[in-house]
Amino acid sequence: GNSVTQMEGPVTLSEEAFLTINCTYTATGYPSLFWYVQYPGEGLQLLLKATKADDKGSNKGFEATYRKETTSFHLEKGSVQVSDSAVYFCALGGTSYGKLTFGQGTILTVHP
Amino acid sequence: DSGVTQTPKHLITATGQRVTLRCSPRSGDLSVYWYQQSLDQGLQFLIQYYNGEERAKGNILERFSAQQFPDLHSELNLSSLELGDSALYFCASSVAPGPLNEQFFGPGTRLTVL
Repeated sequence: GNSVTQMEGPVTLSEEAFLTINCTYTATGYPSLFWYVQYPGEGLQLLLKATKADDKGSNKGFEATYRKETTSFHLEKGSVQVSDSAVYFCALGGTSYGKLTFGQGTILTVHP
Repeated sequence: DSGVTQTPKHLITATGQRVTLRCSPRSGDLSVYWYQQSLDQGLQFLIQYYNGEERAKGNILERFSAQQFPDLHSELNLSSLELGDSALYFCASSVAPGPLNEQFFGPGTRLTVL
């Protein structure tokens, strides 16, 4: 079945540092890939997505490229801010019904 | 604010009891999804409805059931509750089923079973 593996956290960075959160997946067919963010006490928000191989999703300075050859969708940001502190989830949407398969989540804390 | 509302925000109950969680999707969204977030299992898909009909089932226990009503709101019923059912339950909605339709998540209902 489909599965998503995310880099284990927590990740602690200083403001303006470079961020990478690794995500790899196992799926049949050609799934869509997503990054969701969960701020404290809130629900999940879609951060970015990519629907086919070599697509790059980007939003709010975050980027991720759909790499079919390495089955990866790593999240990157060149300069993190304190306000980026949250839990980040990589997810796979592989069925016609749209159910999402999530990774375990990575807690990011950014210090001033 | 995603436009998806969930009530109640918090629920504390005892083992063996039954509870109902309610979700109102965004205006115009026909598809509703339920997810469970727990420390040991992570975020898991439970069930999906589209325009009142069940469309997909995930790791949903037989003690749990759901439905979507004609006004498109949905309810998740959890019965014979066990300690392990303590979790955050999210509802999400989208315009239609399918991986290309963005799912908008509600703030969740935190269930604590004592």
